[in-house]
Amino acid sequence: QSVLTQPPSVSAAPGQKVTISCSGSSSNIANNIVSWYQHLPGTAPKLLIYDNNKRPSGIPDRFSGSKTGASATLGITGLQTGDEADYYCGTWDTTLSAGVFGGGTKLTVL
Amino acid sequence: QVQLQESGPGLVKPSETLSLSCTVSGDSISTSTYYWAWIRQPPGRGLECIGGVHHSGSSYLHPSLKSRVTISVDTSKNQFFLTLTSMTAADTAFYYCARHSGSYGGTDYWGQGTLVTVS
Repeated sequence: QSVLTQPPSVSAAPGQKVTISCSGSSSNIANNIVSWYQHLPGTAPKLLIYDNNKRPSGIPDRFSGSKTGASATLGITGLQTGDEADYYCGTWDTTLSAGVFGGGTKLTVL
Repeated sequence: QVQLQESGPGLVKPSETLSLSCTVSGDSISTSTYYWAWIRQPPGRGLECIGGVHHSGSSYLHPSLKSRVTISVDTSKNQFFLTLTSMTAADTAFYYCARHSGSYGGTDYWGQGTLVTVS
C-alpha cells in the first residue's frame, strides 16, 4: 500500500486532456515538494515535473503540475499515443524521513 | 550529461546479501549538491524509495528496510553502493540508482535499472 494515493488508470482520446491526482497528508505533500515521473517498462523513469510545477528542459508545456494542500495533480493536454505510460508522483515524507511515491497511474490514449 | 549505471548480480539466493554498485559520470559525488539514491520497483508494483546519501555524510533510509540496508559512497571512484541483507522473494525487483535534489524536489537522473531476482 503506497503512502500517496493515485488512481490505478486513466484514459482519454488523442488530442484530449487528462489529469492524474495524487493524494497525501500533512506528513508529505502538504508540507513538501512534489515531483512527477513518466515510466515506460524497461526504461528509466523520466522526470516530468519538479518543485510542484516546474518542467525540466526538454519537457513540453503540455505537461503541468499543481498542488493544493495535501493533494497534487499532473495535467497532460494534447494527448499523444506516445504519452501512454505509467505516471508516478513523489515527495518527501517528514514522518518516515524518506522519499515516498504514489502507486502509479497507467495512462491509456484510446 | 549526467549518467548513472547500476551493476551487480541478477540472481540472489534467499537469505543472502545483495550488493549493487552505481557508477556516476557527468557529475562528481564528492562535490555535488545532490543526493545519490536507490529506488526499486517490484514486478507489477510501484516505485519504492530505499534510501540516499550525500557526500557530506547526510543520509536517509526508508524505515521498512532500515535494519537490512547500507548505502555507502566511494568518492575516489565516483561510485555509490547498496547492500541489502537477508534477501527474500519480496525483494525481487528492478533496482534503480538515481540523483535527487536536497529538498527531494525531483529525481532528475536515473540509471537504466537492474532486475534482481531472489530464488
